Amino acid sequence: AAGVIQSPRHLIKEKRETATLKCYPIPRHDTVYWYQQGPGQDPQFLISFYEKMQSDKGSIPDRFSAQQFSDYHSELNMSSLELGDSALYFCASGTSGGVNEQYFGPGTRLTVT
Amino acid sequence: GIQVEQSPPDLILQEGANSTLRCNFSDSVNNLQWFHQNPWGQLINLFYIPSGTKQNGRLSATTVATERYSLLYISSSQTTDSGVYFCAVEPRTDYKLSFGAGTTVTVRA
Repeated sequence: AAGVIQSPRHLIKEKRETATLKCYPIPRHDTVYWYQQGPGQDPQFLISFYEKMQSDKGSIPDRFSAQQFSDYHSELNMSSLELGDSALYFCASGTSGGVNEQYFGPGTRLTVT
Repeated sequence: GIQVEQSPPDLILQEGANSTLRCNFSDSVNNLQWFHQNPWGQLINLFYIPSGTKQNGRLSATTVATERYSLLYISSSQTTDSGVYFCAVEPRTDYKLSFGAGTTVTVRA
């Protein structure tokens, strides 16, 4: 079965640079979620989209922005990167009606040096 | 927001042993999921279990929604079961998962 695809899997950036993470949800899933997991921490919700519209927002820094495109893939853009942005970034997808299960991608490991 | 508490925080097992992990949550939920995070960081879906009991091989889970807790059972543990087990819930008033702090399981050969 198709799974959530994230790219790149690993990314190394320097402070103050910009990074773009991509997420391709499972086909026919209409909702995308982004989570950030710092070292030794549990995943924290950043932002979600339903049918290409932002549906909820968590503790996402103003330096970060995200969108969902017409083909339902989503991108998380991070600017002015800081050392503290080093983390695993997960994308999850799901459907809006009935079963609320979220399916997680393999994650992107971002290292800021 | 909803509070999610997992216990124990750490668990060391001998290969072949059985164990129970617990997740308590503070409010009614639409969704409860158990995940296993492997040493490479991947979050593996174990169960979607907002209520009832499910089994998958050596793993099983039970959620008692009215009492706001869930249990994950690992039987005949293997070294590949090592990692962090997360419980995550989606409150009825929300559409995002809140994770517990996890239980770190170490299975020794």
